[in-house]
Amino acid sequence: QKEVEQDPGPLSVPEGAIVSLNCTYSNSAFQYFMWYRQYSRKGPELLMYTYSSGNKEDGRFTAQVDKSSKYISLFIRDSQPSDSATYLCAMRTNAGKSTFGDGTTLTVKP
Amino acid sequence: DTAVSQTPKYLVTQMGNDKSIKCEQNLGHDTMYWYKQDSKKFLKIMFSYNNKELIINETVPNRFSPKSPDKAHLNLHINSLELGDSAVYFCASSQDSGWGRPQHFGDGTRLSIL
Repeated sequence: QKEVEQDPGPLSVPEGAIVSLNCTYSNSAFQYFMWYRQYSRKGPELLMYTYSSGNKEDGRFTAQVDKSSKYISLFIRDSQPSDSATYLCAMRTNAGKSTFGDGTTLTVKP
Repeated sequence: DTAVSQTPKYLVTQMGNDKSIKCEQNLGHDTMYWYKQDSKKFLKIMFSYNNKELIINETVPNRFSPKSPDKAHLNLHINSLELGDSAVYFCASSQDSGWGRPQHFGDGTRLSIL
């Protein structure tokens, strides 16, 4: 069983829709939770980063962490065609080792 | 000014050859990483260096040897390339190896083995 499982997608939504991207994990040692966005032929780009249960908001993006359920989500409001990319969840232990999900490819249609 | 730059961007070579990929960061970070991303987009850490010292060494064949001449550079040398080595290799850096430090990635080196 993988330490991090991410909803596989692909996901296709109309412009303006609310998008929900989800990951579950099994390792209780994960303390830091991140979401990366990766455009085609580019490196991952950090979007959101949090270390506690609850919600963290940044513009149209909200990261949600539920440590008791070992579940994290990224919500995108008012999705735009420029949000079309692959989204990777990542989790990190105190020892500094990051483990990534397999990614969910999102397409936002105009 | 690219923060994390890798060269070359594309590398096409034959099985059995030896090749190197170079990485440089101009962010003043102490910690650098090498990741491998396979065709299914799965991103897996290979190595991490903090101030030129190896701190993470995942289960990677001995054919892969990282070298950090200084904290701004982390190179990856691969001996006797195999078909399964075809992937995108990403270099990344973070301020240090401490808790929750976000990582900044380069744009990747696409390695294809013929």
